[in-house]
Amino acid sequence: EVQLVESGGGLVQPGRSLRLSCAASGFTFDDYAMHWVRQAPGKGLEWVSGISWNSVTTDYADSVKGRFTISRDNAKNSLYLQMNSLRAEDTALYYCAKGGHSSGYYYGHFDYWGQGTLVTVSS
Amino acid sequence: QLVLTQSPSASASLGASVKLTCTLSSGHSSYAIAWHQQQPEKGPRFLMRLNSDGSHTKGDGIPDRFSGSDSGAERYLTISSLQSQDEADYYCQTWGTGINWVFGGGTKLTVL
Repeated sequence: EVQLVESGGGLVQPGRSLRLSCAASGFTFDDYAMHWVRQAPGKGLEWVSGISWNSVTTDYADSVKGRFTISRDNAKNSLYLQMNSLRAEDTALYYCAKGGHSSGYYYGHFDYWGQGTLVTVSS
Repeated sequence: QLVLTQSPSASASLGASVKLTCTLSSGHSSYAIAWHQQQPEKGPRFLMRLNSDGSHTKGDGIPDRFSGSDSGAERYLTISSLQSQDEADYYCQTWGTGINWVFGGGTKLTVL
């Protein structure tokens, strides 16, 4: 059974940093691209960042480019999101999502999601 | 710029069918999409991927009541024999080089 469990969320002041983690199990982690998607309170889904299976390719939404960094540790089956210079508009539930294709594919749908971790940016 | 357009809301009666629409913006009618369901207070769940040739791939455990189809730039999700647990938000998603990943605004389905 595929499981994605996010952690690391919390209340943080504007301008500070936070690191999110996603522990993956139930599939061959290093075969798949992984992503972070967020959902502001009462709003829709917004893709934040993606990383290829081998970390060679990373991409970011314009709204977080230069402030957030995605990374992964295939030996630990873990995905991370380092969030710096946080703003009030970064307040959201952050989901970890698994890419839907193996064998090195980067682009494609997401086929599993975690339950999310809440990040609140407020003074 | 690729935009996915969804109606904000839809409603249908228990036991009936409903067809949700996701429209790809001009010039992008050949893109594949995926449908995701988000029940209240839960993380999203992948329902299916719809390819531009009309073929589709469903997620694990998704019942036959959920089906997909397309016409031109429109992608559809049809839910038949509606149940109370189908009341949820439904999002379409697409992806590609230069656009990365894009979600539609979501449709809130109410089961009457």
